[in-house]
Amino acid sequence: GEDVEQSLFLSVREGDSSVINCTYTDSSSTYLYWYKQEPGAGLQLLTYIFSNMDMKQDQRLTVLLNKKDKHLSLRIADTQTGDSAIYFCAEINQAGTALIFGKGTTLSVSS
Amino acid sequence: ETGVTQSPTHLIKTRGQQVTLRCSSQSGHNTVSWYQQALGQGPQFIFQYYREEENGRGNFPPRFSGLQFPNYSSELNVNALELDDSALYLCASSLASGGLSTGELFFGEGSRLTVL
Repeated sequence: GEDVEQSLFLSVREGDSSVINCTYTDSSSTYLYWYKQEPGAGLQLLTYIFSNMDMKQDQRLTVLLNKKDKHLSLRIADTQTGDSAIYFCAEINQAGTALIFGKGTTLSVSS
Repeated sequence: ETGVTQSPTHLIKTRGQQVTLRCSSQSGHNTVSWYQQALGQGPQFIFQYYREEENGRGNFPPRFSGLQFPNYSSELNVNALELDDSALYLCASSLASGGLSTGELFFGEGSRLTVL
């Protein structure tokens, strides 16, 4: 079935780069997403990548997609304390009607 | 801010009661989805509504039901509440012909339900 796996925690120092990794199961997913959730808040769409792309860059964010290994990563350059949050990777389900989320990676940024 | 608004933001119910949660979608979005996020978990898909019809459903029992209105706003109803229904309920809207082909799904801040 469809499943998305992420590591649960990542701790970095301010100014370093953060890399959050994700694996997914459905090779037919057309889009893959990264969402951010701050404490007590809803989900904020950070970026998404279409499945025919290998890389997408958006300011400090770089998404890499390896379709062969079904591996997605999110790199945050020059990580700031305001980047501390939970980051969710998600793929579209086969019906194209819903997102399948991982359990989220908690990013902790220390100054 | 996404333009998706949900109410109430917090509520407390007891086991066996019923609850209705409301969502106004972002202007121009015709598809609304509901997700349940238990503590420490990722959101799980409940169902999607497109043009006032249910257009997909996750692994949730029939006591979870919904409605979409002509203005695309939506309600989630949960009957016979159980302790495990305690969660953050997220509404999301998209501009899609019933699916996520455009690639963007926008979430509201959620309604936090506590069942005692």
